[in-house]
Amino acid sequence: DTAVSQTPKYLVTQMGNDKSIKCEQNLGHDTMYWYKQDSKKFLKIMFSYNNKELIINETVPNRFSPKSPDKAHLNLHINSLELGDSAVYFCASSQAPGLYEQYFGPGTRLTVT
Amino acid sequence: AQSVTQLGSHVSVSEGALVLLRCNYSSSVPPYLFWYVQYPNQGLQLLLKYTSAATLVKGINGFEAEFKKSETSFHLTKPSAHMSDAAEYFCAVSEYSASKIIFGSGTRLSIRP
Repeated sequence: DTAVSQTPKYLVTQMGNDKSIKCEQNLGHDTMYWYKQDSKKFLKIMFSYNNKELIINETVPNRFSPKSPDKAHLNLHINSLELGDSAVYFCASSQAPGLYEQYFGPGTRLTVT
Repeated sequence: AQSVTQLGSHVSVSEGALVLLRCNYSSSVPPYLFWYVQYPNQGLQLLLKYTSAATLVKGINGFEAEFKKSETSFHLTKPSAHMSDAAEYFCAVSEYSASKIIFGSGTRLSIRP
């Protein structure tokens, strides 16, 4: 059983399109996160939800909109995709915010052409 | 504000040699510290975690890390490198009052035959 799963694994799309990435965790965790990893492997947190409430909203263009329908799911919708959005996006979950270790999904490699 | 510095973006060792990956942290209160490993085309996986219970922390795959408050360091070591250890390694820090983990910039470990 995969603890944190993401779909799709690969996403290739053109500039200006809108796309979504889905994430699901079966660990019973309360907190979920979205990270962006650039080509130099730098990990940047984007958003975090705790019990379906947004608790972290880093400096991210408002073209990115997260949505948490329930504690087990966190989706990321991106409008008007730009070349600079090309990266690997990771979903993660933890028992609670802050001190607890995070469990990562396999990542979604987004390529914008 | 908490931060993490990983010294050396790339470390190369011979198979069987000692692995030493350096991490220094900055935190105003006693931190929780983590080491994660990322194998190619995969998500991050927790190697070990320091929670103030013991200064020497043992993790998976033969890795261990020692918390040194006087040096604000949490270096990762393994006595004998294996080819399968080739990966990207991330040090991370969290504080009780924080709702997120701060990741370092990563160190790529290469193993020479």
